[in-house]
Amino acid sequence: DQQVKQNSPSLSVQEGRISILNCDYTNSMFDYFLWYKKYPAEGPTFLISISSIKDKNEDGRFTVFLNKSAKHLSLHIVPSQPGDSAVYFCAALTGTASKLTFGTGTRLQVTL
Amino acid sequence: DTGVSQDPRHKITKRGQNVTFRCDPISEHNRLYWYRQTLGQGPEFLTYFQNEAQLEKSRLLSDRFSAERPKGSFSTLEIQRTEQGDSAMYLCASSPGRGGNTEAFFGQGTRLTVV
Repeated sequence: DQQVKQNSPSLSVQEGRISILNCDYTNSMFDYFLWYKKYPAEGPTFLISISSIKDKNEDGRFTVFLNKSAKHLSLHIVPSQPGDSAVYFCAALTGTASKLTFGTGTRLQVTL
Repeated sequence: DTGVSQDPRHKITKRGQNVTFRCDPISEHNRLYWYRQTLGQGPEFLTYFQNEAQLEKSRLLSDRFSAERPKGSFSTLEIQRTEQGDSAMYLCASSPGRGGNTEAFFGQGTRLTVV
């Protein structure tokens, strides 16, 4: 049972354009969401998070949007840079649990 | 380096052998997690410690797996009688565990290959 879904396994975006990575979830108990970035042979690196009491959180080039009614969140990267090329994982937490539930990831490639 | 440290980075072992991995969390973090990641999947939760207490274990953690955090600092994950299906990246993460939900910081992982 995949509670966190990233339906696009890959995405290619031109440098300078906006990258939009999507994530859907099924568990309505999730109330905190995170995005991680992962390079090959390294562990995931935390990027940005959002609590369910908000619908938007921004940090520099990264913005996360949360639509609770649709159980959908998205990560916007603008402008995209070649160094952003990596696998991006969406993850979720419930208030009573500490473990992260991850999606399967989206591989972003930013081309010149 | 004050991040999460894992050792070894790579391990190749023969089927049936035992292996042990070590994780040193960020020093002030009292929560420690183990995850496993296979190709094409996101990390999957294995187990979690609050200080030295193991508070939750996933169904993925068969009886061949055991984890310890003896003094609430570093942790070890042992796999006995390894099987080819155990081949994966084993990730350790830590978090402060205070002030509500907060992000977990991951180590670089231990890549296990069972041949």
